[in-house]
Amino acid sequence: SQQGEEDPQALSIQEGENATMNCSYKTSINNLQWYRQNSGRGLVHLILIRSNEREKHSGRLRVTLDTSKKSSSLLITASRAADTASYFCATAALAGGTSYGKLTFGQGTILTVHP
Amino acid sequence: SAVISQKPSRDICQRGTSLTIQCQVDSQVTMMFWYRQQPGQSLTLIATANQGSEATYESGFVIDKFPISRPNLTFSTLTVSNMSPEDSSIYLCSVGGRDQPQHFGDGTRLSIL
Repeated sequence: SQQGEEDPQALSIQEGENATMNCSYKTSINNLQWYRQNSGRGLVHLILIRSNEREKHSGRLRVTLDTSKKSSSLLITASRAADTASYFCATAALAGGTSYGKLTFGQGTILTVHP
Repeated sequence: SAVISQKPSRDICQRGTSLTIQCQVDSQVTMMFWYRQQPGQSLTLIATANQGSEATYESGFVIDKFPISRPNLTFSTLTVSNMSPEDSSIYLCSVGGRDQPQHFGDGTRLSIL
């Protein structure tokens, strides 16, 4: 079963508004990554946050990580129509053996930004 | 970051046939991964492809159905065997280390009639 749960499943906003997506997971992690997928194409890597980090920024993106609650959030500020896509969180398990590098994906949030 | 090329980008196949998907990376990488994304769903890891050894399959995926080759550090193939409509999905390869971003190819959109 998927490790991560994301909410909301779908989010519809107007251009210029902020969009917040949440991700929860079940087991201890090494890092958590956020991806964007446009129209069933390949995934674009957005941000990686390590388990000892609490917040990271990249342009209009801000990611937080709360390991005590096993949750993360992705904030997109001043959204644009071009941000319309599906967003996925993915967790990398702690080091060791066959877990090396493997990602477990959440169910994703479909974001629609209206012009 | 690594540039990953996947071929074919899409295909329509008859049930009972097999299709081999190729994944080429522009640099040498230790770990390559194959994922499946069923329609409207998230990604599920099929297997980890290691150069010089057998691929490691996740629960629910078997080598007879999804044989994988990894002949060198820049290339891997995934074969979807004896296809049925349930195999209609996007198949993606990716590369990445334990504490590094994982980068994906554009995927292969497969439809089975």
